[in-house]
Amino acid sequence: GAGVSQSPRYKVAKRGQDVALRCDPISGHVSLFWYQQALGQGPEFLTYFQNEAQLDKSGLPSDRFFAERPEGSVSTLKIQRTQQEDSAVYLCASSLSRGDNEQFFGPGTRLTVL
Amino acid sequence: LAKTTQPISMDSYEGQEVNITCSHNNIATNDYITWYQQFPSQGPRFIIQGYKTKVTNEVASLFIPADRKSSTLSLPRVSLSDTAVYYCLVGPQGSTLGRLYFGRGTQLTVWP
Repeated sequence: GAGVSQSPRYKVAKRGQDVALRCDPISGHVSLFWYQQALGQGPEFLTYFQNEAQLDKSGLPSDRFFAERPEGSVSTLKIQRTQQEDSAVYLCASSLSRGDNEQFFGPGTRLTVL
Repeated sequence: LAKTTQPISMDSYEGQEVNITCSHNNIATNDYITWYQQFPSQGPRFIIQGYKTKVTNEVASLFIPADRKSSTLSLPRVSLSDTAVYYCLVGPQGSTLGRLYFGRGTQLTVWP
């Protein structure tokens, strides 16, 4: 069956450019998460949606990061004025319900900021 | 949240059983222990979850002693394709936060 998909898989941006990363969760999954994974580290939480409501954005590193899920399905993570320290893999995960420890991850988008 | 400690890396050979131990001394009463596996260029994948004693599925077994201050992920007869990073996570099930806390994980390398 279809899993979580993310696009693009790879993105190269020049410093200062804006980028938009897309996540298509598993159909019917209520919860959607974004994580950031630096090289050699585990994923770190960025933000959480339950349907279209963004219930937790405490992990977003700066106000340059913005996420939305307007219709409760597809989500977009936008990074404005990218910086070199934003280079990382951005992972999207979804789960059937709130608080379910079994989250289904997409393959990630590798962002490289030059 | 309970902090977890696990080895940075482990090596094994094909066909051997691998046991990865995770310490979580300040685990809370309502915390569950969850393990994820991550291959290069892929997102993490849920392997197994348990609360106490032993849990087994088609992929692995999870052993949790009575005091729950540690847990051991057991992979029977590993193959080259089990080479991956394994993460031990501790947290409540059904929490209102829902986020997962990953550490650095254990890099398991299986040799032929």
